[in-house]
Amino acid sequence: KAGVTQTPRYLIKTRGQQVTLSCSPISGHRSVSWYQQTPGQGLQFLFEYFSETQRNKGNFPGRFSGRQFSNSRSEMNVSTLELGDSALYLCASSPGQVNYEQYFGPGTRLTVT
Amino acid sequence: GENVEQHPSTLSVQEGDSAVIKCTYSDSASNYFPWYKQELGKGPQLIIDIRSNVGEKKDQRIAVTLNKTAKHFSLHITETQPEDSAVYFCAAPRGTSYDKVIFGPGTSLSVIP
Repeated sequence: KAGVTQTPRYLIKTRGQQVTLSCSPISGHRSVSWYQQTPGQGLQFLFEYFSETQRNKGNFPGRFSGRQFSNSRSEMNVSTLELGDSALYLCASSPGQVNYEQYFGPGTRLTVT
Repeated sequence: GENVEQHPSTLSVQEGDSAVIKCTYSDSASNYFPWYKQELGKGPQLIIDIRSNVGEKKDQRIAVTLNKTAKHFSLHITETQPEDSAVYFCAAPRGTSYDKVIFGPGTSLSVIP
């Protein structure tokens, strides 16, 4: 099976702009989680989607949002970018309700200048 | 609230020696404990996991032990090799919820040839 794919891999944006990141889970997986990884804060949970519904959300401001499509692909959006949003954004897919195993993509490296 | 602590933050061992990384969790309802390995420029990779109904699980040179009473679990790597050098993360779900996983801060392991 193909692994989790994320696009783009690298992105440079300016403060105040918005950005959309994309994630395609492993075929058959219905759960997609998003994480922000920074040297100072480590891996922090953003939100999780299952069958197009957000089941849980981490402690991030409303500028961070996401959605999931009927084919399980997911996108996350960050509006009004701040310098502190510079991070590696990771997507992880999981089969869903009865299986905890998460499989991560390579991430999108976002740099905000 | 949920918390996962991980020690040590850095670990340096000679090739062939063993490495042990320990994690503690706060939510006594947690029932699934994965370990991830993250190499430079890549997303975390699931290397082993354990569920709360067993005390130990092995996979070749890697083993994980779980002490539910003390709420801690450990990763053991035997006969370490240079390619084991990476950052290792432990994680625990929030209670029995599969929609939110809390990660430890990570351990940077260096295996010296």
